[in-house]
Amino acid sequence: GAGVSQTPSNKVTEKGKYVELRCDPISGHTALYWYRQSLGQGPEFLIYFQGTGAADDSGLPNDRFFAVRPEGSVSTLKIQRTERGDSAVYLCASSLRGEPLHFGNGTRLTVT
Amino acid sequence: GQQVMQIPQYQHVQEGEDFTTYCNSSTTLSNIQWYKQRPGGHPVFLIQLVKSGEVKKQKRLTFQFGEAKKNSSLHITATQTTDVGTYFCADSGGSNYKLTFGKGTLLTVNP
Repeated sequence: GAGVSQTPSNKVTEKGKYVELRCDPISGHTALYWYRQSLGQGPEFLIYFQGTGAADDSGLPNDRFFAVRPEGSVSTLKIQRTERGDSAVYLCASSLRGEPLHFGNGTRLTVT
Repeated sequence: GQQVMQIPQYQHVQEGEDFTTYCNSSTTLSNIQWYKQRPGGHPVFLIQLVKSGEVKKQKRLTFQFGEAKKNSSLHITATQTTDVGTYFCADSGGSNYKLTFGKGTLLTVNP
């Protein structure tokens, strides 16, 4: 596809459940990023991949959050034991190294 | 950590009026990037400023980086309804991937 693809676009889950959010980056982009955006706020950095490895995961809020990118392309953000405070739009972005970020449309996560 | 403050939070203008949003930091910024997010959309990269005092133009948009690299501004001349959206500045912190975003300025334009 032409842009970063994120699925699902919306996810409603109950408190305590496990969720997975998927990101399909632009073909050929080696760098992949996850950000989180709460209502009325700017995006907040979560994690950055260069290739398959997490180069910087310092933005993950706690150990309930984990992300993988096993083959250096698609990435999955995993959230265990979801809490209501996890509700936000989760944005994925990709880029060539050192180039500007291209964001996807995000997954809107609602924890009830 | 680095904090980036943006003002105003909201701005409503009549079509044809000018608009400016400001980005400020108490510490020296590395590089400033500007993004536009349409309602219901995702952030779209507009420009990056790197050098002290830098000024860049994109049609009706003018971006400035302060001499001390502690502030930046985005000015839109003669706004149009297509300019509606939230404008964010973001500091790269020298990394180019770990962006610290401001809270954004929501621009609405009355036709």
